[in-house]
Amino acid sequence: DTAVSQTPKYLVTQMGNDKSIKCEQNLGHDTMYWYKQDSKKFLKIMFSYNNKELIINETVPNRFSPKSPDKAHLNLHINSLELGDSAVYFCASSRTGKVAGGSYNEQFFGPGTRLTVL
Amino acid sequence: KQEVTQIPAALSVPEGENLVLNCSFTDSAIYNLQWFRQDPGKGLTSLLLIQSSQREQTSGRLNASLDKSSGRSTLYIAASQPGDSATYLCAVMDSSYKLIFGSGTRLLVRP
Repeated sequence: DTAVSQTPKYLVTQMGNDKSIKCEQNLGHDTMYWYKQDSKKFLKIMFSYNNKELIINETVPNRFSPKSPDKAHLNLHINSLELGDSAVYFCASSRTGKVAGGSYNEQFFGPGTRLTVL
Repeated sequence: KQEVTQIPAALSVPEGENLVLNCSFTDSAIYNLQWFRQDPGKGLTSLLLIQSSQREQTSGRLNASLDKSSGRSTLYIAASQPGDSATYLCAVMDSSYKLIFGSGTRLLVRP
């Protein structure tokens, strides 16, 4: 019954490797996001997809490539990992527009993936 | 460029106290403001969302207010409990639907 799930929870890898983080939501939301939380705990948006279409792309290196196979999934692939990529990556989702009895554009977050690059 | 500031950075209170966490933002053109809670090593839990047209939202012991014109929001926690200990994050959704976060207030409620 998990709303937003991410795998893996922990990822330790060597510099220069390529890795992927997967995200899935079962809330029926149409928008998904990737955030990065650095060592100072500051959260910053990286990407946003609405109905599989990229709508937000912050100044993130080209080594980061999001892929959305369908509305319920948004994966993050990272090429040529660098030490500075070490962080916690959070996936989130939301529904745009009003929802019955609730608020719109409320974002729900996954548990995070702690990436450590050695 | 939207900037979100949270004060104080850390707060330690004895159990049972009522407390207020502050959030300020520089651009009043926002769609909504959301308060989150983050426990150590965990994800974010949405606590309250206030639409730009609203003044406040309440959930249990939590009450969040929004004054868009002055760029301020407060999160009021009544009768604090040790289980409330966590980092509280404020975030505003800007005109391009991006959620801009503050750096958080780390709360410790002492038994």
